[in-house]
Amino acid sequence: AQTVTQSQPEMSVQEAETVTLSCTYDTSENNYYLFWYKQPPSRQMILVIRQEAYKQQNATENRFSVNFQKAAKSFSLKISDSQLGDTAMYFCAFMKHSSGTYKYIFGTGTRLKVLA
Amino acid sequence: EAQVTQNPRYLITVTGKKLTVTCSQNMNHEYMSWYRQDPGLGLRQIYYSMNVEVTDKGDVPEGYKVSRKEKRNFPLILESPSPNQTSLYFCASSLWPVIEQFFGPGTRLTVL
Repeated sequence: AQTVTQSQPEMSVQEAETVTLSCTYDTSENNYYLFWYKQPPSRQMILVIRQEAYKQQNATENRFSVNFQKAAKSFSLKISDSQLGDTAMYFCAFMKHSSGTYKYIFGTGTRLKVLA
Repeated sequence: EAQVTQNPRYLITVTGKKLTVTCSQNMNHEYMSWYRQDPGLGLRQIYYSMNVEVTDKGDVPEGYKVSRKEKRNFPLILESPSPNQTSLYFCASSLWPVIEQFFGPGTRLTVL
């Protein structure tokens, strides 16, 4: 069974600094997708970034980028120039795509606090 | 406005009293899904649907039912709620499962 592990329950970072959130996953699949979602205090879930496993190039989205290490099954999120609005819970998610199955597995989340 | 709506937003009920949480999307999305969020456990997928009349189990389907009779609606049914189903529930939809999911605002359910 697939699992997603976020080993950092809580993190904090100073405004304008860089922070990296870790995510590892376990799968025997070769075709899958990885996501980072953000949940601010409003509870609204928002997609931050997405990565296809077959793409070697790391995805980037403005201040957000990932370090995707397929062999190591690692998918970390780097937030550059952290802003107060980045304060949120961040969830790593895995979606496998095979045999007509489209299940999502989420990690337990990392609560990030950006300090002024 | 493109959105996913859920109703009710808050619900307190008692053990064994059947309830339905509605979910509707106006984006003509194929894929819809239900999740529950619990402290320390993250989000866990309950059921998902690829299209009308096509549903499948997620990781924690026990105690829940779903139906997809219309493309826009995907209600979550708790036939006999129990206290361990007290949770925050999210409905989500996407045009296709491998791309961005749009989430509803969440339903806070308490079963006494």
